[in-house]
Amino acid sequence: NAGVTQTPKFHILKIGQSMTLQCTQDMNHNYMYWYRQDPGMGLKLIYYSVGAGITDKGEVPNGYNVSRSTTEDFPLRLELAAPSQTSVYFCATAGAMETQYFGPGTRLLVL
Amino acid sequence: KNQVEQSPQSLIILEGKNCTLQCNYTVSPFSNLRWYKQDTGRGPVSLTIMTFSENTKSNGRYTATLDADTKQSSLHITASQLSDSASYICVPFIKAAGNKLTFGGGTRVLVKP
Repeated sequence: NAGVTQTPKFHILKIGQSMTLQCTQDMNHNYMYWYRQDPGMGLKLIYYSVGAGITDKGEVPNGYNVSRSTTEDFPLRLELAAPSQTSVYFCATAGAMETQYFGPGTRLLVL
Repeated sequence: KNQVEQSPQSLIILEGKNCTLQCNYTVSPFSNLRWYKQDTGRGPVSLTIMTFSENTKSNGRYTATLDADTKQSSLHITASQLSDSASYICVPFIKAAGNKLTFGGGTRVLVKP
């Protein structure tokens, strides 16, 4: 089992461009999450999903969108990228009441 | 308003020594309290999960304690190794919509040879 995979590992984006960060899990977990982590700071929740077809905003959703058409995939869309979105993005999954399992992260640089 | 306060913010210890990290929380009630380890540039990994009824939980050289009366938890690292250099994050888990976790900055530990 691969667990939680994220692509790409690293990306440079120009201001105003858009892109999608991919997250896939093979653990059959219902809960999926997107976090961002700025240098020296804790993780901040962007969006989360409790199951296919259901998504909700987290602490810092502005500038992002998500979809959850399948249990396995939870892509994060950045529209009109801004330098403030330079960060490391982590995807995580969890079963009910279980611990969260994190992917390896995507490093995004917006210039 | 911070619901979790961890101390110290950072810590340098010599390889082989022990150390204890503190977590004070105001979140109540919660289903369980978790300690995570995050290596630089990696996602957090769960070390321990304790419910209200558990006072202590061990995972190898890591031992977590929980005092629900004083709302304090600690993480003790025994015989530290270079690989223990990481951030350690205390996370109370409230079972609510989405089972969301709130991560603080944690305590950054550096183990020196």
